[in-house]
Amino acid sequence: KQEVTQIPAALSVPEGENLVLNCSFTDSAIYNLQWFRQDPGKGLTSLLLIQSSQREQTSGRLNASLDKSSGRSTLYIAASQPGDSATYLCAVDSGYALNFGKGTSLLVTP
Amino acid sequence: KAGVTQTPRYLIKTRGQQVTLSCSPISGHRSVSWYQQTPGQGLQFLFEYFSETQRNKGNFPGRFSGRQFSNSRSEMNVSTLELGDSALYLCASSIDLQGVQFFGPGTRLTVL
Repeated sequence: KQEVTQIPAALSVPEGENLVLNCSFTDSAIYNLQWFRQDPGKGLTSLLLIQSSQREQTSGRLNASLDKSSGRSTLYIAASQPGDSATYLCAVDSGYALNFGKGTSLLVTP
Repeated sequence: KAGVTQTPRYLIKTRGQQVTLSCSPISGHRSVSWYQQTPGQGLQFLFEYFSETQRNKGNFPGRFSGRQFSNSRSEMNVSTLELGDSALYLCASSIDLQGVQFFGPGTRLTVL
């Protein structure tokens, strides 16, 4: 059974800092890995999807990397802004369903 | 292009009742998945439908059921509601299997 872990569970940083969110998974047989953002009481917004054959994906200030052999992914956020405050979820698609981590709750203070 | 829509957005029921939630995927998307989100368990997979066929089912009791129609719209039903069924139910659609999943805003179910 695929287990997905996200560290840290919560993070508070001042505006302008660069930060890294971590995701680890136990089974390297994956189709893809997706990073989502969730605002309080809302649904999930897809940020980046990395196929199993890819090493990284970039979108604006976001960069996600994937090391399938070690079962790790990181989400790098450059020059953080208060609007980035949200919960960030990592999800691994092993061909059966998306397996989600518990998320990292990010607070960016002005 | 309209996103994934879910109705109703909020629902209050009492124990023992049943409930039906609806999900309309993005136009052209044939895959619909359902997830339950609770503070304790996080996001857990319920079912996945593709072209009206249930492909996968998560580890939930038989009280949880679903279906997909020919227009890709999907419904899920929970019978004999329990207090523990209180959760945010999220629907996601993708154009095909293993594609980017787009989530709806969710239905917040409260069981009293």
